[in-house]
Amino acid sequence: EPEVTQTPSHQVTQMGQEVILRCVPISNHLYFYWYRQILGQKVEFLVSFYNNEISEKSEIFDDQFSVERPDGSNFTLKIRSTKLEDSAMYFCASSEEAFFGQGTRLTVV
Amino acid sequence: RKEVEQDPGPFNVPEGATVAFNCTYSNSASQSFFWYRQDCRKEPKLLMSVYSSGNEDGRFTAQLNRASQYISLLIRDSKLSDSATYLCVVNKGDSNYQLIWGAGTKLIIKP
Repeated sequence: EPEVTQTPSHQVTQMGQEVILRCVPISNHLYFYWYRQILGQKVEFLVSFYNNEISEKSEIFDDQFSVERPDGSNFTLKIRSTKLEDSAMYFCASSEEAFFGQGTRLTVV
Repeated sequence: RKEVEQDPGPFNVPEGATVAFNCTYSNSASQSFFWYRQDCRKEPKLLMSVYSSGNEDGRFTAQLNRASQYISLLIRDSKLSDSATYLCVVNKGDSNYQLIWGAGTKLIIKP
């Protein structure tokens, strides 16, 4: 069964550093998403991506965040100048019904 | 009113019993509705989409009531493996892409 793959599974970074979270979506899907889930809280939409551009973004997705699809397969989320409150699970998903990857646990220390 | 609201539970249910969850949503323009399940510290997994006419998948039945703006999930003959958090998800009314997530209802099936 095709699946969404995310790397790394766990990332620890120091406050103020930049991190790049990587995702390989399901190959024939057109819509890609990033979500985050702070421990114990609900899933929150960050951004959707279609046809190599952002189609929508939430209020959370400010200038600290950016997304790219640099080589037509990988889909990345970059978080600049990380803050403690960025610690969360970050999920990549593809297609409208959102098939999720297993997530990257980001811990900012 | 929250955009998507669920009873957080937990629902403690004996194995074999039937359990039902409701979820209310605030935006009458929403068109897409889903139930996901999430195991502890794992990714959400799509359980089923919810269609206007209602739909069934094995032991699971989903219903949509547009007039009252709620969706429901019924689980029959519950099994230990059904223990999870069930997330109600609705598309943002003016958006095809953005999904709004409920905080989830925790279900614990007891032997």
